[in-house]
Amino acid sequence: NAGVTQTPKFQVLKTGQSMTLQCAQDMNHNSMYWYRQDPGMGLRLIYYSASEGTTDKGEVPNGYNVSRLNKREFSLRLESAAPSQTSVYFCASSPVGRGNEQFFGPGTRLTVL
Amino acid sequence: GNSVTQMEGPVTLSEEAFLTINCTYTATGYPSLFWYVQYPGEGLQLLLKATKADDKGSNKGFEATYRKETTSFHLEKGSVQVSDSAVYFCALSDKSEGSARQLTFGSGTQLTVLP
Repeated sequence: NAGVTQTPKFQVLKTGQSMTLQCAQDMNHNSMYWYRQDPGMGLRLIYYSASEGTTDKGEVPNGYNVSRLNKREFSLRLESAAPSQTSVYFCASSPVGRGNEQFFGPGTRLTVL
Repeated sequence: GNSVTQMEGPVTLSEEAFLTINCTYTATGYPSLFWYVQYPGEGLQLLLKATKADDKGSNKGFEATYRKETTSFHLEKGSVQVSDSAVYFCALSDKSEGSARQLTFGSGTQLTVLP
């Protein structure tokens, strides 16, 4: 099993450009999540999807959109990138139960100039 | 709302020293508690967890006990190794209804172990 995979690993954008971060999991998990990690702030939840076909806002959703394409895939879209969105983005997934243990991907490092 | 406060870093120790990273939380009800570890350039990995009061989570020589009376979940290891150098995150998950229970993270503590 590959676990949680994310593409791309690195990306540089100019202000105003758009892009989609891809995430896939092969563990048959119901729930998926997108976080951003900034220095000294831990991880903050952007959006999550409790199950296929549902999505909900997290702590910092502004400037982002998500799509739960199917049970395996959960993408994060930046429509008009801003320098404040420079961050490391992590996707995670979790099964039902098990105390909400989440499994994380390797991350995407995004720089917006 | 929920919050997690953990010891600020960075923490620098010599190999074989004793490690404590403090973590306290604020939550309604009785959350599940976690420690995650992040090695350089990688995603987070679950290190250990505890789902109810007085539970002790343990893994790879690390331990943490869920203390409801002090709302704490301090991470300890008796003898650290250079390979333990990483960033450690304390996190909680509330047990509200619903299948997607959000994690609330602390800000992370950078640990460096010197040979």
